[in-house]
Amino acid sequence: QLQLQESGSGLVKPSQTLSLTCTVSGGSISSREHSWSWIRQAPGKGLEWIGYVYYSGSTYSNPSLQSRVTISVDRSKNQFSLRLTSVTAADTAVYYCTRETEFWGNDYWGQGALVTVSS
Amino acid sequence: EIVLTQSPGTLSLSPGERATLSCRASQTVSSTFLGWYQQKPGRAPRLLIYGASSRATGIPDRFSGSGSGTDFTLTISRLEPEDFGVYFCQQYGPSPRTFGQGTKVEIK
Repeated sequence: QLQLQESGSGLVKPSQTLSLTCTVSGGSISSREHSWSWIRQAPGKGLEWIGYVYYSGSTYSNPSLQSRVTISVDRSKNQFSLRLTSVTAADTAVYYCTRETEFWGNDYWGQGALVTVSS
Repeated sequence: EIVLTQSPGTLSLSPGERATLSCRASQTVSSTFLGWYQQKPGRAPRLLIYGASSRATGIPDRFSGSGSGTDFTLTISRLEPEDFGVYFCQQYGPSPRTFGQGTKVEIK
């Protein structure tokens, strides 16, 4: 059974960089059929799609965040990562990593990692 | 960017009743790339429906999806106590992927 697990700092100071890693177990990240995504949810709000990465390293980020977002993949560790620079309180959210399967959507989700931006 | 608008915002129903949730897109969405998710408090969303009408693995047949073009519907034929929560639609065709704002299904 595929599992995804987010890890990283739960508290980030304003203007600093948020860094999260998603570890994939029970399956390989090196799959042509899947992309690996980050989605976030501010407290009490809806879901915001951040972007995805393919095993090849090809990425796409939401234009609303694009200048601040870097998504990368480490196939040797079966992990992918998110970096979000110049954070503000508006970036406080639960961050989910997911697997997106072509035609299926986001079929596997991590449990989510709460990141709070505060001094 | 494709904007998805869900209605109603909240649906108050009793167990056993039928729930009908709407998702309207600002432009045509391929049915192949329209999905529905269920989220319980404190939990990650769960995929219910993909391709507008196909149930994901393990999803009971009381959940059904339909629609095409700009109008999509999720129907829960007979609500069970465990069905209460928030439901999101998502288009995963053109990037950026986008979600609707959610419909909360609550116990009446």
